[in-house]
Amino acid sequence: DAGVTQSPTHLIKTRGQQVTLRCSPISGHKSVSWYQQVLGQGPQFIFQYYEKEERGRGNFPDRFSARQFPNYSSELNVNALLLGDSALYLCASTPGQLHTGELFFGEGSRLTVL
Amino acid sequence: AQSVTQLDSHVSVSEGTPVLLRCNYSSSYSPSLFWYVQHPNKGLQLLLKYTSAATLVKGINGFEAEFKKSETSFHLTKPSAHMSDAAEYFCVVSDLLSGGYNKLIFGAGTRLAVHP
Repeated sequence: DAGVTQSPTHLIKTRGQQVTLRCSPISGHKSVSWYQQVLGQGPQFIFQYYEKEERGRGNFPDRFSARQFPNYSSELNVNALLLGDSALYLCASTPGQLHTGELFFGEGSRLTVL
Repeated sequence: AQSVTQLDSHVSVSEGTPVLLRCNYSSSYSPSLFWYVQHPNKGLQLLLKYTSAATLVKGINGFEAEFKKSETSFHLTKPSAHMSDAAEYFCVVSDLLSGGYNKLIFGAGTRLAVHP
């Protein structure tokens, strides 16, 4: 079975631009979460989506947005990029809204903002 | 608020020697604690989890962790390190929030190096 897949794997943007990152969850998983991992730090929670609705949001500015599609895939959008947005963006899926702590992570999209 | 603190940013061991990665937690209620591992260019993988059952938790690849409430600790150990254990390890606590969802709170990570 395919795991969580993310695209693109690497991308470079300049300040002020916008970026869209994509995630396909494990088949049968209805919840997708997004995490940001800045170099040298642990991942930080950005969003959780379940059944196409936002269920939780971390402490991130409104420049960050996401959505989930009927097939449960998800997109993370970041507008007006700042240098500090450079990070590994991780997508994780779980079967339901609540989980026991075992999230299934993709390999991430590494964003570099110049 | 829930939090975890990993006491070592880097740990270096020789192959075949024991591994100890230290983690302290802060929680206002009985926590759900986890260890995740991140190999280079790979996604995060769950090693083991504690959810208020047995205090000694066994995970994959020979790792185990002991929940000690009196010390607010959840240290990760392995009797004998293997070269393939070299990776970044994260201590994690699950935070249940209003609205019926939970999120993971990660420590800063400990990079484990294993030397021949």
